[in-house]
Amino acid sequence: GAVVSQHPSWVICKSGTSVKIECRSLDFQATTMFWYRQFPKQSLMLMATSNEGSKATYEQGVEKDKFLINHASLTLSTLTVTSAHPEDSSFYICSARTNVNSGSYQPQHFGDGTRLSIL
Amino acid sequence: EDQVTQSPEALRLQEGESSSLNCSYTVSGLRGLFWYRQDPGKGPEFLFTLYSAGEEKEKERLKATLTKKESFLHITAPKPEDSATYLCAVHGQGYQKVTFGTGTKLQVIP
Repeated sequence: GAVVSQHPSWVICKSGTSVKIECRSLDFQATTMFWYRQFPKQSLMLMATSNEGSKATYEQGVEKDKFLINHASLTLSTLTVTSAHPEDSSFYICSARTNVNSGSYQPQHFGDGTRLSIL
Repeated sequence: EDQVTQSPEALRLQEGESSSLNCSYTVSGLRGLFWYRQDPGKGPEFLFTLYSAGEEKEKERLKATLTKKESFLHITAPKPEDSATYLCAVHGQGYQKVTFGTGTKLQVIP
């Protein structure tokens, strides 16, 4: 149980294009989803948190106009990197957790990440 | 602000050589402490949740324990397939996000 699917796993595109990454919870209702960025040999850096049907909350220093997050349903969130540039190249990982029928705080479950390379 | 410190940064073990990874934390009202395993190029895989001091969880060769200040991930008779980075994270009261440590990179040599 608690499977999170992230797509695509790998994308290469030209500078200036926009890239959309999808994150789906396959077998549970994801009331909250998170987007992280991870640099080589470093830990996870939280970019934003989104609750279903609400606007995302961005961490300090993350440009919300650059990284558009949509969490329109209980099973799907998307991250769009707009007008991507080489410095946006990174490993992006989503996670999801549920608040449904939970007396205790439930853990986040992660997708397998998207390797984004901007040329 | 919640803080998580993991040690050691890296650990190299011979196959069968048991050891422990440490996760020290400071948090205002612990709602949960989580252990994850991350393989290169993959997202973290959930292992355990611990909610209160004294709690223990086991899964195969792994056992996680919790006190009021730290958690340990004990690895008994590790195998090469246990090689990965192990991440610890805490969730405190009043926050929706969790705070991750920087991880311990474990290498098990055959």
